[in-house]
Amino acid sequence: GQQVMQIPQYQHVQEGEDFTTYCNSSTTLSNIQWYKQRPGGHPVFLIQLVKSGEVKKQKRLTFQFGEAKKNSSLHITATQTTDVGTYFCAGRVGNQFYFGTGTSLTVIP
Amino acid sequence: DGGITQSPKYLFRKEGQNVTLSCEQNLNHDAMYWYRQDPGQGLRLIYYSQIVNDFQKGDIAEGYSVSREKKESFPLTVTSAQKNPTAFYLCASSIPGGGEKLFFGSGTQLSVL
Repeated sequence: GQQVMQIPQYQHVQEGEDFTTYCNSSTTLSNIQWYKQRPGGHPVFLIQLVKSGEVKKQKRLTFQFGEAKKNSSLHITATQTTDVGTYFCAGRVGNQFYFGTGTSLTVIP
Repeated sequence: DGGITQSPKYLFRKEGQNVTLSCEQNLNHDAMYWYRQDPGQGLRLIYYSQIVNDFQKGDIAEGYSVSREKKESFPLTVTSAQKNPTAFYLCASSIPGGGEKLFFGSGTQLSVL
C-alpha cells in the first residue's frame, strides 16, 4: 500500500540550532502538505506544495518539494522553544492524504 | 467561531461495547475524515466522506462504522470488532477539489477498560 516515510522520528536540538525533517513517498504525489502538532494538541496546517521542485518559505521555515514529487523536506533555521512539536508531512494520492510518521522536535533552551 | 468540535475529549470502552465519537463542523465543508493516531505513528485514515450520504473506507476501516446524514456531522462508531481501539481519534474536514488543507478537531482519546 501507499506509504510515506518520515525521518528522523525524534530530534533534540539546542535552541538556535537548525532542524530538518524529510519525507519520502513510494509513489508520485499530487501535492504535499505539512502540519504541526503541539504536545497534547491537534495537527495544524502549515503549507502546501504542488509544483515539482517548489520551494516556499515562512519566516524561519523552508519547505521543499522534490523534482520527482516523491520527497519533501522542512528546514527550520535557528530553532526557538516555540518550535517544539511534531511535524507531519501529508502526501496526496487521489482523494486521500497519506501522513508520514512525524518528527518530534524538542528544543533545549 | 467556525471550527470542528469533537466530543467527548476522553472516552472509555468496556469489552464488547460499541462507542460513538462525535464530530460536528460549521465550516460548511463538504469533505470530512476520521484518522487514528497511535504513539510514534502517523495519522491513518479510517473513513472519509466527500458528500452527504456517501462515504468510503480508508486504510484501516475494519471494526469501525460511520454515517453522513448531515453535512455538519460525521460520527464514528468503534465497534466491538475493533480489538485494539485504544488511540487518539482525529476528525478533519476540507473543501473538496484537490489539495485542500485539512482542519482538525481537538481529538478524542479512547481507552479500553
